Amino acid sequence: NAGVTQTPKFQVLKTGQSMTLQCAQDMNHEYMSWYRQDPGMGLRLIHYSVGAGITDQGEVPNGYNVSRSTTEDFPLRLLSAAPSQTSVYFCASSSLSGNTIYFGEGSWLTVV
Amino acid sequence: EDQVTQSPEALRLQEGESSSLNCSYTVSGLRGLFWYRQDPGKGPEFLFTLYSAGEEKEKERLKATLTKKESFLHITAPKPEDSATYLCAVSGGAQKLVFGQGTRLTINP
Repeated sequence: NAGVTQTPKFQVLKTGQSMTLQCAQDMNHEYMSWYRQDPGMGLRLIHYSVGAGITDQGEVPNGYNVSRSTTEDFPLRLLSAAPSQTSVYFCASSSLSGNTIYFGEGSWLTVV
Repeated sequence: EDQVTQSPEALRLQEGESSSLNCSYTVSGLRGLFWYRQDPGKGPEFLFTLYSAGEEKEKERLKATLTKKESFLHITAPKPEDSATYLCAVSGGAQKLVFGQGTRLTINP
């Protein structure tokens, strides 16, 4: 049982480059979301999805795009990376009941 | 706007010395209050979800309690392996979590 799987674990980008952070879950969860964690800021919600084909913005959505074509996958796209997007990114998933929200192991992104 | 404040920011205890971590919150319609443990370089690990004032949950040396304004994570006779950052978060719906900044707990042997 893999749970929530994120790739890559580490990535260095140059300013202006684009990339996609991958997130997959094998628990058939309806809800998936992306958070970023910065020192002194706590985790903040970027985008979330309540099911395939449905996405919405969280607290800090600017500079990020998402789509949800399948229940299992919820990729996060950076279209033109900026140094301010240097952070640790976490993907999370839960069932409709939301009793337990599971997190992945994180993706460390550095934009130079 | 939903807000979560955790205190203290850091806490250092001796092995066996019990204590409590605080999580104060404001939310328009609490759907759940979550406690997580996070080790360095790892993702948050789920501990508890509380839903209504008066509710309590326990797991090994940890007990979480909830009132209408705050939650406490009580740690009884901690061991060095309990050292971690403990995160509190509230959900106002759709599993959208608002996190506090965490309490960094260190247990000295």
